Amino acid sequence: AQTVTQSQPEMSVQEAETVTLSCTYDTSESDYYLFWYKQPPSRQMILVIRQEAYKQQNATENRFSVNFQKAAKSFSLKISDSQLGDAAMYFCAYRSIQGAQKLVFGQGTRLTINP
Amino acid sequence: GAVVSQHPSWVICKSGTSVKIECRSLDFQATTMFWYRQFPKQSLMLMATSNEGSKATYEQGVEKDKFLINHASLTLSTLTVTSAHPEDSSFYICSALQDYLGEQYFGPGTRLTVT
Repeated sequence: AQTVTQSQPEMSVQEAETVTLSCTYDTSESDYYLFWYKQPPSRQMILVIRQEAYKQQNATENRFSVNFQKAAKSFSLKISDSQLGDAAMYFCAYRSIQGAQKLVFGQGTRLTINP
Repeated sequence: GAVVSQHPSWVICKSGTSVKIECRSLDFQATTMFWYRQFPKQSLMLMATSNEGSKATYEQGVEKDKFLINHASLTLSTLTVTSAHPEDSSFYICSALQDYLGEQYFGPGTRLTVT
């Protein structure tokens, strides 16, 4: 079974600075998807960024980018120019390309933005 | 963008009663929907995979007879918590897997309080 580990329960960053959230995973599959989701206080899950394992190029979405290291099974999220609205819980997630396509979530990292 | 709704957003019920939570994909078809449970300050825990027209697939440790899932149409899945007890109090989140693109979209969640 696949597992996802986020080793940072909490992180904080100054507004406008850059922060990196860590995520590692374990799988025996060669192709899969990885995601970062944001859960603000409203608790609505919001997709931040998605990475297909077969793609070597790291995904980027505006201020959000990932560092995908397939051999190391590492998938970190970098947030540049942090904004107050980025404060939330961030979850790393794994999804197989086969089967039920259910998501396996990490434990989450609570990100605080200091003004 | 694709929208998933949940109803109700918050429900209080008495111990021993049953409560039904609806999950609807508003502008797309979803053969597969997922039900998650989230305790305060914790990650999402997958309870079951709901498939239109067939029985749900429950994760290990989830009581099938307590958490009844019905996926009667391509846009609606329901979760019924039967004979609710205070320990069933939690935040329940559904997600819908869009048939065409394979993207997963989350509902806003339902807060269940059992008194």
